[in-house]
Amino acid sequence: DAGVIQSPRHEVTEMGQEVTLRCKPISGHDYLFWYRQTMMRGLELLIYFNNNVPIDDSGMPEDRFSAKMPNASFSTLKIQPSEPRDSAVYFCASRPLMEDRYTFGSGTRLTVV
Amino acid sequence: AQSVAQPEDQVNVAEGNPLTVKCTYSVSGNPYLFWYVQYPNRGLQFLLKYITGDNLVKGSYGFEAEFNKSQTSFHLKKPSALVSDSALYFCAVRDQGGGYNKLIFGAGTRLAVHP
Repeated sequence: DAGVIQSPRHEVTEMGQEVTLRCKPISGHDYLFWYRQTMMRGLELLIYFNNNVPIDDSGMPEDRFSAKMPNASFSTLKIQPSEPRDSAVYFCASRPLMEDRYTFGSGTRLTVV
Repeated sequence: AQSVAQPEDQVNVAEGNPLTVKCTYSVSGNPYLFWYVQYPNRGLQFLLKYITGDNLVKGSYGFEAEFNKSQTSFHLKKPSALVSDSALYFCAVRDQGGGYNKLIFGAGTRLAVHP
């Protein structure tokens, strides 16, 4: 199993541009989570899905952020328009229904200049 | 609301010495507690969890954690530290409110093991 795969690993974009982060969870995992990590705020849960359905998006900071999970093997986190304060490492994680053990991807380091 | 606190931003220990990374929790009901480790430029990795049962939980890489209900603590320990243990460690608790299925992480503690 290749684990949770995120792309790109690094993204540098200009303020105002649209950014799309991608995640492929582990096959068979029922839950998918998007987290953001910054020095100031630590690890924040943005949104999570159960069987492709968004369950809790209360952590999404603004309407500029949106997430989708069109099928069990793919999810996107989109920021439009991006701002410098969105610079962070974004992690995707997944887990099976009856397991508390999360598997994290290696993250996408986003820099908005 | 469920929460965990990691009172130390950084812990320094010499290689071969025992290490402790502290975590305290605040939950309503029975706590479900976890430790994760993050190596540089990597995602978090599961170390161990406490659900119920023995207060001493053994995990990956020789780590263990001691659950103490009276002190509401769940400290991570290792008898003999390695330089390769240097990483960022996160304590987490399962949200038992409306968000039953999500983990709430502490701020993290950076462990530095010196040769």
